[in-house]
Amino acid sequence: SQKIEQNSEALNIQEGKTATLTCNYTNYSPAYLQWYRQDPGRGPVFLLLIRENEKEKRKERLKVTFDTTLKQSLFHITASQPADSATYLCALVSSGGYNKLIFGAGTRLAVHP
Amino acid sequence: GAGVSQSPSNKVTEKGKDVELRCDPISGHTALYWYRQSLGQGLEFLIYFQGNSAPDKSGLPSDRFSAERTGGSVSTLTIQRTQQEDSAVYLCASSVSWNEQFFGPGTRLTVL
Repeated sequence: SQKIEQNSEALNIQEGKTATLTCNYTNYSPAYLQWYRQDPGRGPVFLLLIRENEKEKRKERLKVTFDTTLKQSLFHITASQPADSATYLCALVSSGGYNKLIFGAGTRLAVHP
Repeated sequence: GAGVSQSPSNKVTEKGKDVELRCDPISGHTALYWYRQSLGQGLEFLIYFQGNSAPDKSGLPSDRFSAERTGGSVSTLTIQRTQQEDSAVYLCASSVSWNEQFFGPGTRLTVL
């Protein structure tokens, strides 16, 4: 079955540094991948979508890479700020023929001043 | 405009009771999804609606779970004879086509 793995341990970094989060998947070749941010007590909020034919996507301080050979996506936040502290979820589109997403468990990021 | 709304925000019920959770998607969004999120876990897909039809119910955990959507808008997720393992946050999302999903704030269900 399709499986997504994100680092379950929290990532603690210093303000101003670059945070890098990893998403690995197995048993599937998704057409695209999405990253969401989730704050405590709230629903996820969409950040970026990257397609299988795109190697890299950027949006402001965010950068996502998609390596279909390694079956891995990396999510980078440059010049991180305490406000970036949240849980970040990776999601792959399933093979169901519609926009059904399979989510990873998420990685919690804590940016310290 | 208004985002996805869900009600109630919190629901505490006794084991064995039935509960109904409501989702109001963004106007014009034809696709609607229900997910469940247990403490510290990722989102678990439950059901997908396209219009009023549910082509994929594969994520519903048991026949105690059902959902409907009317008028291509509001959706209700019903859990009959609730069990303690049903305790979780139930999230609803809507979207147009193959794009981002917009999530509601969720309903936190606690079964005592």
